[in-house]
Amino acid sequence: ETGVTQSPTHLIKTRGQQVTLRCSSQSGHNTVSWYQQALGQGPQFIFQYYREEENGRGNFPPRFSGLQFPNYSSELNVNALELDDSALYLCASSLGGTRAYNEQFFGPGTRLTVL
Amino acid sequence: AQKVTQAQTEISVVEKEDVTLDCVYETRDTTYYLFWYKQPPSGELVFLIRRNSFDEQNEISGRYSWNFQKSTSSFNFTITASQVVDSAVYFCALSGMNYGGATNKLIFGTGTLLAVQP
Repeated sequence: ETGVTQSPTHLIKTRGQQVTLRCSSQSGHNTVSWYQQALGQGPQFIFQYYREEENGRGNFPPRFSGLQFPNYSSELNVNALELDDSALYLCASSLGGTRAYNEQFFGPGTRLTVL
Repeated sequence: AQKVTQAQTEISVVEKEDVTLDCVYETRDTTYYLFWYKQPPSGELVFLIRRNSFDEQNEISGRYSWNFQKSTSSFNFTITASQVVDSAVYFCALSGMNYGGATNKLIFGTGTLLAVQP
């Protein structure tokens, strides 16, 4: 069973640029959630995708957007990067929809640095 | 509003000591779930345990045990006979039905850094 994978591992961008982060969910999982974890903080929920539709969004501006593909993999896009976007971006997948008890399996994350 | 508070920022213990990590939560949901995750230096969050709001029975699993008390909105986690490999950041998290729709988003605390010295 393949776990959650994310690419790239590290990324350096400059202010104003755009970035795309990728996530492959664990085999059979149809729900993907994205989290932002600033240094020294707990992860913050960005949004969630279930069967290719956005299902729930945290307190993040529209320049954070995403996609989920038919194979349940997902992308997180961030436009007009700001210095505060520097963080570890975590992807999590779960099975069986969006029920609150579903255990989420996390990937290793993408470390984004904005200069 | 949903909120998770981990008041302990850092804890340092010597190997074989017992250590308890505190977690206090706030929620208006009547049905909710509480989780503990471990984040080693590699960065990947590792699921440890899950409890639902209807099950206050405390459990022991190996060196881990949990104390869930709805009356005080606390969900504490204890490691018995700590080992160096337990060194990590530990996060308490909450999920539940959200007003306006159901989603299993996790609300995390700020984490507790546990350092186990040899």
